[in-house]
Amino acid sequence: DTAVSQTPKYLVTQMGNDKSIKCEQNLGHDTMYWYKQDSKKFLKIMFSYNNKELIINETVPNRFSPKSPDKAHLNLHINSLELGDSAVYFCASSQSLTETQYFGPGTRLLVL
Amino acid sequence: AQSVTQPDIHITVSEGASLELRCNYSYGATPYLFWYVQSPGQGLQLLLKYFSGDTLVQGIKGFEAEFKRSQSSFNLRKPSVHWSDAAEYFCAVGAYNQGGKLIFGQGTELSVKP
Repeated sequence: DTAVSQTPKYLVTQMGNDKSIKCEQNLGHDTMYWYKQDSKKFLKIMFSYNNKELIINETVPNRFSPKSPDKAHLNLHINSLELGDSAVYFCASSQSLTETQYFGPGTRLLVL
Repeated sequence: AQSVTQPDIHITVSEGASLELRCNYSYGATPYLFWYVQSPGQGLQLLLKYFSGDTLVQGIKGFEAEFKRSQSSFNLRKPSVHWSDAAEYFCAVGAYNQGGKLIFGQGTELSVKP
């Protein structure tokens, strides 16, 4: 059973398009996150949600809009995609804001 | 400013040799720390974690790490490396009242020679 899953695994799209990445966790966790890994493999947090409430928005452009329909899901919608958005996006979850984070397999986004 | 440094970008060791990957952090608050491993094209897998208590922690796959508060370090060790250990290793640091934010090091790529 996959603990944290993401769809799609790969996403290739044109500049200016709008796309969404979905994340689901079946661990019963209250907290979920989005991280971005750039081409140099540097990982940086984008958002954290606790009980569906936004906790962190780490100076991410407002073209990125996370949505948490329930505690098991945290989706990421990106408007007007830019070349610089090309990266691997990881979803993660934890029991609370101060406990171990478990990561999904990542979504590899390529903007052409 | 909060930061995590992994001084070694790339390390090559022979199979069966011992391994130490370095991690240093700069954090204003009491930290908790993790090591994650990432195989090519894969997600991050948790190797081990330190929140409190015994400063020498054991993880999966025979890895261990030691938290040294005086040196602001959390180095990862393995006594005998296997070819399957070749991967990217990330040290990450968090703290209470930070909204769950983890700060990651730059990663250390481990290659294993036969």
